Amino acid sequence: DAGVIQSPRHEVTEMGQEVTLRCKPISGHDYLFWYRQTMMRGLELLIYFNNNVPIDDSGMPEDRFSAKMPNASFSTLKIQPSEPRDSAVYFCASSLRTVNTEAFFGQGTRLTVV
Amino acid sequence: AQSVTQPDIHITVSEGASLELRCNYSYGATPYLFWYVQSPGQGLQLLLKYFSGDTLVQGIKGFEAEFKRSQSSFNLRKPSVHWSDAAEYFCAVTSGSARQLTFGSGTQLTVLP
Repeated sequence: DAGVIQSPRHEVTEMGQEVTLRCKPISGHDYLFWYRQTMMRGLELLIYFNNNVPIDDSGMPEDRFSAKMPNASFSTLKIQPSEPRDSAVYFCASSLRTVNTEAFFGQGTRLTVV
Repeated sequence: AQSVTQPDIHITVSEGASLELRCNYSYGATPYLFWYVQSPGQGLQLLLKYFSGDTLVQGIKGFEAEFKRSQSSFNLRKPSVHWSDAAEYFCAVTSGSARQLTFGSGTQLTVLP
C-alpha cells in the first residue's frame, strides 16, 4: 500500500479564496482523521470519521471549515473563504477499526494564505 | 480530558550520546501511548506504542520507551544517538473509547557532530 496520500503537498492562495485539501486513506482503514499543525497550537484534531461518517467535529475552528468523506477511499477538507490565519500544515491520518492500532499519517499539505 | 505534556521544547545532544525525551500524560482510563517522529517537511512516523503488558517497549531505529503508571510517564530513550535522529518527536495518547490522538507539543532534537 502506498500509505495515506494527500494532495496537494503545497498550496498558496489568496485570502478569500476557496481551498480544498484531499486525502486518500489506506485501503481497509475505517477511521480517518484531519489534523492541523501550527507553531502556536501544535497538532490539533479537526475532525474524524468512522466508516465515512463524521464522529467528532468539535475541533473544526469555525463554519468556514467543512469536511466530507463521500466514500471509503476519499476525503476532503474545504476552507471557504480562506484567511491568513488558516496558514498551517494539514495532515490526514487513517487507522484500522481495532482499538490497539496506530494512526498512519500522510505527508501533509502546507497551506499558505496570503 | 486527556492531555500530554512534553516539558522539553528543545534538546541538544552529541552524536553517540544517550537520549531521553520526557512525556507525561493525564488520563483517567488506561491509556494507549505512542511516540511519533517528524522529519522536516514530512508526516509523522510511528516509533513505538504501548497498549498493555511489558512496560518497556521496543520500537524502530533503536528507540525504546518505558511506561510508568505511578509517574504517569512514557519517556523515550535511545542509548546512542545518530545524526539522522535529528527531528521533532511527539508523544501522543488515546484510549479505547477515544479514537483520536491527543498530542504533546513536541520536542525538537538537535544532534551535534
